[in-house]
Amino acid sequence: GDSVTQTEGQVTVSESKSLIINCTYSATSIAYPNLFWYVRYPGEGLQLLLKVITAGQKGSSRGFEATYNKETTSFHLQKASVQESDSAVYYCALVSSGSWQLIFGSGTQLTVMP
Amino acid sequence: GGIITQTPKFLIGQEGQKLTLKCQQNFNHDTMYWYRQDSGKGLRLIYYSITENDLQKGDLSEGYDASREKKSSFSLTVTSAQKNEMAVFLCASSIASGRSNERLFFGHGTKLSVL
Repeated sequence: GDSVTQTEGQVTVSESKSLIINCTYSATSIAYPNLFWYVRYPGEGLQLLLKVITAGQKGSSRGFEATYNKETTSFHLQKASVQESDSAVYYCALVSSGSWQLIFGSGTQLTVMP
Repeated sequence: GGIITQTPKFLIGQEGQKLTLKCQQNFNHDTMYWYRQDSGKGLRLIYYSITENDLQKGDLSEGYDASREKKSSFSLTVTSAQKNEMAVFLCASSIASGRSNERLFFGHGTKLSVL
């Protein structure tokens, strides 16, 4: 079946440094699934950060960017300069065709040190 | 804006007990979902409902029942709690089903512990 892999469970970065959170996907039911990043800030519910529905396109929100790379089946999340307020748990997800369920990765806890 | 309210926030049960989790949304969304999250794992879909009185099974439906008697509410029942079970249950809603770029709105979760 379809799956999403986030290899880092925790990432710690100093404020103003750059960030990459890795996400790769496997989609057996559909060639080009829709891809998402969701985020959960401390004390808040999970919320959509950005989405990209077209292969080769880039999505952006709140200074974060992610590019849909169909060759490497990746959707890495990047930010040029992180802030302490970016500390949160980030989830990569795809929509599985047919059942149209959201398939989530295991999440990456980002801690930004002042 | 709207809000999704999950009750209770914390639920402690005994092995074999039937436990019910509740979810209310005021977005007027058609579709509602129940996800389960175990530590270090992604969210897994238990049940969803595309309209009042509709129920659809997700990948993790065994051991659970669900009920959607009103458009605004969606409840989940753990039919027989398993000893030492610990998980967070997340309720979500979206405007409509069948659109693969649909955005989900989530509640804060119910944390279940079984003694």
